[in-house]
Amino acid sequence: AQSVAQPEDQVNVAEGNPLTVKCTYSVSGNPYLFWYVQYPNRGLQFLLKYITGDNLVKGSYGFEAEFNKSQTSFHLKKPSALVSDSALYFCAVRDVDTGGFKTIFGAGTRPFVKA
Amino acid sequence: DTGVSQDPRHKITKRGQNVTFRCDPISEHNRLYWYRQTLGQGPEFLTYFQNEAQLEKSRLLSDRFSAERPKGSFSTLEIQRTEQGDSAMYLCASSLTSGLGQDTQYFGPGTRLTVL
Repeated sequence: AQSVAQPEDQVNVAEGNPLTVKCTYSVSGNPYLFWYVQYPNRGLQFLLKYITGDNLVKGSYGFEAEFNKSQTSFHLKKPSALVSDSALYFCAVRDVDTGGFKTIFGAGTRPFVKA
Repeated sequence: DTGVSQDPRHKITKRGQNVTFRCDPISEHNRLYWYRQTLGQGPEFLTYFQNEAQLEKSRLLSDRFSAERPKGSFSTLEIQRTEQGDSAMYLCASSLTSGLGQDTQYFGPGTRLTVL
């Protein structure tokens, strides 16, 4: 069965410092991996995805994520955090080998970026 | 492209009543998904349509839940005999077929249901 773990409910970071949001996954086959961000009272916004190819994926708003197959991880990173990055971030996975339609989301991580 | 829209944005109902939510996907998106999100959790998959065909349903979707997409465009999600445990945010997403499982889902703002 597919699963996603975001081990931290919250991370604290000072504005201008690097931001990392952790994600590990479990699938029986090959994964497609996604990151979404959710602002208050709004739907999820797509940030980036890993399908195949280069393990480092660049996305919206200066975010990037690195796929690590041996560690089954897909951590989200931003070199220099902004106060406006304080939102709820969700990692998600689809199992390619089971048809790839059902997406499993993690519980979310909320960075608090302090000015 | 106006994005995915959902109506209503908020619904308060009494236990035992029926409610219906509507989702209008991005035009020309052939896939449509429904999710449920409770406080402190990520979205949980409920069901999925490709055009008008409902191809997958989660075990979370009890007999009281039914979803339709009659003409392959908008979709409705109905909950009959609502229970307090149904209180959640109901999210709709749509996508355009782009290789097996590669398509990006775009989400609407959600309908927040409160069952009293």
